[in-house]
Amino acid sequence: AQSVTQPDIHITVSEGASLELRCNYSYGATPYLFWYVQSPGQGLQLLLKYFSGDTLVQGIKGFEAEFKRSQSSFNLRKPSVHWSDAAEYFCAVGFHNNAGNMLTFGGGTRLMVKP
Amino acid sequence: DVKVTQSSRYLVKRTGEKVFLECVQDMDHENMFWYRQDPGLGLRLIYFSYDVKMKEKGDIPEGYSVSREKKERFSLILESASTNQTSMYLCASSRTGNGNSPLHFGNGTRLTVT
Repeated sequence: AQSVTQPDIHITVSEGASLELRCNYSYGATPYLFWYVQSPGQGLQLLLKYFSGDTLVQGIKGFEAEFKRSQSSFNLRKPSVHWSDAAEYFCAVGFHNNAGNMLTFGGGTRLMVKP
Repeated sequence: DVKVTQSSRYLVKRTGEKVFLECVQDMDHENMFWYRQDPGLGLRLIYFSYDVKMKEKGDIPEGYSVSREKKERFSLILESASTNQTSMYLCASSRTGNGNSPLHFGNGTRLTVT
């Protein structure tokens, strides 16, 4: 069965500092991978996705993620964090079962940004 | 852009009431989902639907039912609300895919049962 682990529940970084959020997945086949962001009181917004090809993918809001098959990881990065990036971030793996297209989510990482 | 609209941002209901949470999407997506989100527990799938009038149980269906009479609308029903159903409820939709279709989420309904 597929699973997603986000080892860090909370992360605090200073504004302007770089950011890396960790994501490890378990899936038997080639994974479809996603990162979502959830601002307080809002739904989840898609940041980026990886299906195949270049292992470094660019997303919205200046985020990027790198797929590393050997480490079963899909870490999210940003070179310089802005105060508006404070939010909760979810990694997910996509799969297909008899019922259709599904995503399994990690537990989330809450990012706090210090001024 | 895909728009997923949940009819209420905040709801307060009493224990034992029947509660309807409505969700509408405007992109002709085949799949629709209901999740609940609780601190420390992440997103948990309640029910999903891959076609009109079709439904499948997710990880935590107990105490809930769903209805999908039209492709664009997916309703979550709490037959008899209880305080442990106080939560944030998120609706999502996606195209048919093999795992490569991202989910598009609504803004959520925060339900409080007193």
